[in-house]
Amino acid sequence: KAGVTQTPRYLIKTRGQQVTLSCSPISGHRSVSWYQQTPGQGLQFLFEYFSETQRNKGNFPGRFSGRQFSNSRSEMNVSTLELGDSALYLCASSPGTGSFYEQYFGPGTRLTVT
Amino acid sequence: GENVEQHPSTLSVQEGDSAVIKCTYSDSASNYFPWYKQELGKGPQLIIDIRSNVGEKKDQRIAVTLNKTAKHFSLHITETQPEDSAVYFCAASRAAGNKLTFGGGTRVLVKP
Repeated sequence: KAGVTQTPRYLIKTRGQQVTLSCSPISGHRSVSWYQQTPGQGLQFLFEYFSETQRNKGNFPGRFSGRQFSNSRSEMNVSTLELGDSALYLCASSPGTGSFYEQYFGPGTRLTVT
Repeated sequence: GENVEQHPSTLSVQEGDSAVIKCTYSDSASNYFPWYKQELGKGPQLIIDIRSNVGEKKDQRIAVTLNKTAKHFSLHITETQPEDSAVYFCAASRAAGNKLTFGGGTRVLVKP
């Protein structure tokens, strides 16, 4: 099976702009979670989508949003970018059902805000 | 919310020696504990996980132990090799949700 793919791999944006990142999960997986990774804060959960609905949400401001399409592909959007949004954004794919959820990560999108 | 602490933050071992990384968690409802390995420029790779009804799990040179009473779990790598050099993360979650709470990471360097 193909793994999790994320596009683009690298992005440079200016403060105040907005950005959209894309994630395609492993075939058959219905859940996509998004995480932010920074040297200072580590890996932090943003949100999870399952069957086109947001099922879990982390403690990030409303500038961070996401959605999921009927084919399970997901996008996350960050509006009004701030310098502190510079990070590696990772998406993780999982079946989303059953008692325990193994999550498989993509390579990430490196976002730099200048 | 859940809080996961991971120690040590860096670990240097000689090739062939063992490496041990320890994590503690705060939420007694957590019952799924995966470990991830992250190499430079890549996303985290799931290497082993353990569930609350199991005390120990092994996969070749890697083993994980869980002590639910003390709320801590550990990763053991035996016969370390240079390719084991990476950053390792522990995490915890409740079965009911997909939210993983990660430890701060351990940078492991295996010296040949």
